[in-house]
Amino acid sequence: AQSVAQPEDQVNVAEGNPLTVKCTYSVSGNPYLFWYVQYPNRGLQFLLKYITGDNLVKGSYGFEAEFNKSQTSFHLKKPSALVSDSALYFCAVRDPGYSSASKIIFGSGTRLSIRP
Amino acid sequence: EAGVTQFPSHSVIEKGQTVTLRCDPISGHDNLYWYRRVMGKEIKFLLHFVKESKQDESGMPNNRFLAERTGGTYSTLKVQPAELEDSGVYFCASSQEPGFSDTQYFGPGTRLTVL
Repeated sequence: AQSVAQPEDQVNVAEGNPLTVKCTYSVSGNPYLFWYVQYPNRGLQFLLKYITGDNLVKGSYGFEAEFNKSQTSFHLKKPSALVSDSALYFCAVRDPGYSSASKIIFGSGTRLSIRP
Repeated sequence: EAGVTQFPSHSVIEKGQTVTLRCDPISGHDNLYWYRRVMGKEIKFLLHFVKESKQDESGMPNNRFLAERTGGTYSTLKVQPAELEDSGVYFCASSQEPGFSDTQYFGPGTRLTVL
């Protein structure tokens, strides 16, 4: 079955330090992978996606993510965290080979807290 | 360009009542999706419209939920009668390109509370 796991409910990082938000996935075919962010009282905002090609994907607000097929992971990273990065982050996958390929399957979310 | 909009932002109703949520997609987007997040859990897919046609409604939980997209523009999601377990945040998303690599753009959500 298709699934996405975000093993950490919360990640705490000091401002200026690098951050990583972990994500692993399970799909039957080649995945399309996404990261979304939800700021307080706002909707989900698209950050970046991996479809094919270069395993390192760069997105909005200085975020990047690396697709690792052997480890079935798609961790979100940023070299230097900002307090304004504090938000709820969702990893998501779409499986084109699945019978219900319309849908995006989301992880449970990781709350990122950046302390000054 | 305006993003996806949803109305209302919050709704509080009693069990057994009816609620209708509205979503206006980004102009020109043929694909419209409904998702919901219940009790802080995963965001789960409900259904997908292509223009006015239901492409995939495999995520609809039961027949108390009815989604429509007359004319292929805005969509409504009606819950009738509402139950306590329907409480959560209902998100709408839209996308333009065909195929599964397209990016879905989400609205701010409607927070539904059933008492």
